[in-house]
Amino acid sequence: NAGVTQTPKFQVLKTGQSMTLQCAQDMNHNSMYWYRQDPGMGLRLIYYSASEGTTDKGEVPNGYNVSRLNKREFSLRLESAAPSQTSVYFCASSERWETAVYYGYTFGSGTRLTVV
Amino acid sequence: KNEVEQSPQNLTAQEGEFITINCSYSVGISALHWLQQHPGGGIVSLFMLSSGKKKHGRLIATINIQEKHSSLHITASHPRDSAVYICAVLLNTGNQFYFGTGTSLTVIP
Repeated sequence: NAGVTQTPKFQVLKTGQSMTLQCAQDMNHNSMYWYRQDPGMGLRLIYYSASEGTTDKGEVPNGYNVSRLNKREFSLRLESAAPSQTSVYFCASSERWETAVYYGYTFGSGTRLTVV
Repeated sequence: KNEVEQSPQNLTAQEGEFITINCSYSVGISALHWLQQHPGGGIVSLFMLSSGKKKHGRLIATINIQEKHSSLHITASHPRDSAVYICAVLLNTGNQFYFGTGTSLTVIP
């Protein structure tokens, strides 16, 4: 029962470095999401992919890019990391964008990223 | 701007107590989502609500659309219920969920 797998679990970057956070799901879900979680704030949507081949901006997309590589995989890229991007990042998936309203999401275990 | 307010922020209870966590929102919504975040960080969906009440084991979630309020109740609380409980709403006008900051629950044996 892998569900949603995120890698890495922890990462420290220097300001200006780039990196890609990987996410893969094995539930044949159509929709995938990237969130960030910061102290004192709720989860905020960065980007989502309603279906394979499509991606859309969420609430806080600046400084990030995404790729829906195939139905299973949805990666998040930081091209030039900044200290403001220090956060915990969660990937999630749902059967369909529409059915998330009824059945909710499956979340990965998170990536704790620190930018120094 | 925070569409979702949760109370209390922190809650400590004795094992066996009945627990209530509240979620209020200020705009029209089409769905409300309760989630649980474990101490290790993992997040699990608990309930999706658009009206009425849902029950799963010792957890009960209710929503009052007119009053823009939802509650999550835990009966016969147990230390394994210790977690952060998060409320999220899907606005009538939007296509994404907005999350509250969570209620941190500690259940003491």
